[in-house]
Amino acid sequence: EADIYQTPRYLVIGTGKKITLECSQTMGHDKMYWYQQDPGMELHLIHYSYGVNSTEKGDLSSESTVSRIRTEHFPLTLESARPSHTSQYLCASTPRGMSYEQYFGPGTRLTVT
Amino acid sequence: QQPVQSPQAVILREGEDAVINCSSSKALYSVHWYRQKHGEAPVFLMILLKGGEQKGHEKISASFNEKKQQSSLYLTASQLSYSGTYFCGPGAGGTSYGKLTFGQGTILTVHP
Repeated sequence: EADIYQTPRYLVIGTGKKITLECSQTMGHDKMYWYQQDPGMELHLIHYSYGVNSTEKGDLSSESTVSRIRTEHFPLTLESARPSHTSQYLCASTPRGMSYEQYFGPGTRLTVT
Repeated sequence: QQPVQSPQAVILREGEDAVINCSSSKALYSVHWYRQKHGEAPVFLMILLKGGEQKGHEKISASFNEKKQQSSLYLTASQLSYSGTYFCGPGAGGTSYGKLTFGQGTILTVHP
């Protein structure tokens, strides 16, 4: 059982608000990822990190930003939420090495009104 | 470039077999397979690595053709619990290892 947590699980917020989606893992994994997924659609990588103070943008352009100050924590921030940000955001992590699966958190379903 | 999965959807009866294919336009270092049930997070099924190493599920098998840049997932004697959306995620090598680009998904529905 993977220990990766996301909060909040559901968030409904108004346009223009700043939000932070939390992701934490207790497995000591080096690599962490954020994916965006619309209902019934594929997973799009928006950010990833290979370790502390290492973050890169993924394949899908996103207005969100991330930070990795501690190994276990990888928060995602939207400075000014818009309805186009409405989606599910999934966090994942994996150990160092080339042959390990990604463990996914339960996701945060964000609705911007 | 996103890999292409086929078919887009499959409907089976319990006990039937299915094959899901994944093709990439880029050279593959590895291929991950995940299953996602409605409203849940994706769950790992299988990793296939260049060179033949595999890690995965007991009742699900997969193949990886490096030259053709393709992978196939074989689901035999399907069970109701196999229903869900299956995603392949080819992985790049080198400095981008661990970074996956997922396909559009294949919806599998198993009926009693």
